[in-house]
Amino acid sequence: AQSVAQPEDQVNVAEGNPLTVKCTYSVSGNPYLFWYVQYPNRGLQFLLKYITGDNLVKGSYGFEAEFNKSQTSFHLKKPSALVSDSALYFCAVRDREAGNQFYFGTGTSLTVIP
Amino acid sequence: DAGVTQSPTHLIKTRGQQVTLRCSPKSGHDTVSWYQQALGQGPQFIFQYYEEEERQRGNFPDRFSGHQFPNYSSELNVNALLLGDSALYLCASGNWGGGGYGYTFGSGTRLTVV
Repeated sequence: AQSVAQPEDQVNVAEGNPLTVKCTYSVSGNPYLFWYVQYPNRGLQFLLKYITGDNLVKGSYGFEAEFNKSQTSFHLKKPSALVSDSALYFCAVRDREAGNQFYFGTGTSLTVIP
Repeated sequence: DAGVTQSPTHLIKTRGQQVTLRCSPKSGHDTVSWYQQALGQGPQFIFQYYEEEERQRGNFPDRFSGHQFPNYSSELNVNALLLGDSALYLCASGNWGGGGYGYTFGSGTRLTVV
């Protein structure tokens, strides 16, 4: 079974500091991993994905994620946090054997403090 | 280019009633998936439609049913509503042959069951 885990419900970071939102995965085969962001009362917005290739993936709004196969992790990072980055972040794995459905983590609420 | 459109945006129903939610996929997309996002949780896969047929189904009871129309739009129906059905219902569209790339989520319908 495919699954992802987000060990932190809440992450607080000061504006201008680097941020990390953690995600670990459990999949059979090669993982297709995604990060989505959700603002209040909104749907999910795609940030970035890892399919294959370079372990460092660059995405929207200055975010990047590092795929680490040995640690089965796919942490989301940004060098300098903005107050506008405050939102709910979801890590997800896509199951290519089951219609490409997504399995989402429980989400991490990021608060960037001015 | 319109993205994924869901209607209504908010809905309040009484326990035991039936509800229909609607989704128009992004232009050019032929596959629609539905997800339920309970408060404080990540989205959970309900089912997926392609060529007007249900292709994949998550762990949801038969009270949850759907339909896809020839224009690729879709409906999610929930019968005999329970309080626990209160959630944000998200629709995602993509291309069946696209390998899951480019899936786009709508902003969701917030269903409250009282």
